Amino acid sequence: GAGVSQTPSNKVTEKGKYVELRCDPISGHTALYWYRQSLGQGPEFLIYFQGTGAADDSGLPNDRFFAVRPEGSVSTLKIQRTERGDSAVYLCASSTRDRGNEQFFGPGTRLTVL
Amino acid sequence: AQKVTQAQTEISVVEKEDVTLDCVYETRDTTYYLFWYKQPPSGELVFLIRRNSFDEQNEISGRYSWNFQKSTSSFNFTITASQVVDSAVYFCALSEALTTGTASKLTFGTGTRLQVTL
Repeated sequence: GAGVSQTPSNKVTEKGKYVELRCDPISGHTALYWYRQSLGQGPEFLIYFQGTGAADDSGLPNDRFFAVRPEGSVSTLKIQRTERGDSAVYLCASSTRDRGNEQFFGPGTRLTVL
Repeated sequence: AQKVTQAQTEISVVEKEDVTLDCVYETRDTTYYLFWYKQPPSGELVFLIRRNSFDEQNEISGRYSWNFQKSTSSFNFTITASQVVDSAVYFCALSEALTTGTASKLTFGTGTRLQVTL
């Protein structure tokens, strides 16, 4: 079956611009997660959704970052007034309640802020 | 707070050698899950194994084996007879154990880059 998909695969933007990153989870997966991976580092948690609501947004670095999942499926991560330090690969994952928190990851969106 | 330490940044081996990747974790939770993920050069994280903190039995899957020792808070991963295709970055991760129907974030280590050469 189809895995987690993320678009775009690459995004180049200028400092100060607004960007949106999209994640389409595996069909039927109720939980959706966003992580950020900087070069040479492990993924760092940003936020996760259980259904439509953000169950834990403790990893969002500041109020420039926001995510939504209005219908409990597709999610969008939104970054306002981008900074060069936001450059990273943004990973999305999804899971289903009967797989013991086994998270399936998408290919990521590489964001470059110039 | 949860923490995962992978002290080995890079390991290089020659094909057919055995290699062990170390993982040490910290958590205040009494029940938790431990994971290993593989990130090949293509970049997509691939799930390898999940271990519940209640289950300390070692596990073997083909050339892969995992040694979970709660007494030392370690969850090490061994590849037997390594192959070039094993070259990747390997991440150890930790999450709290869940009640049915809930989810939890993963806390990752910084990864170990494994290079297998001919």
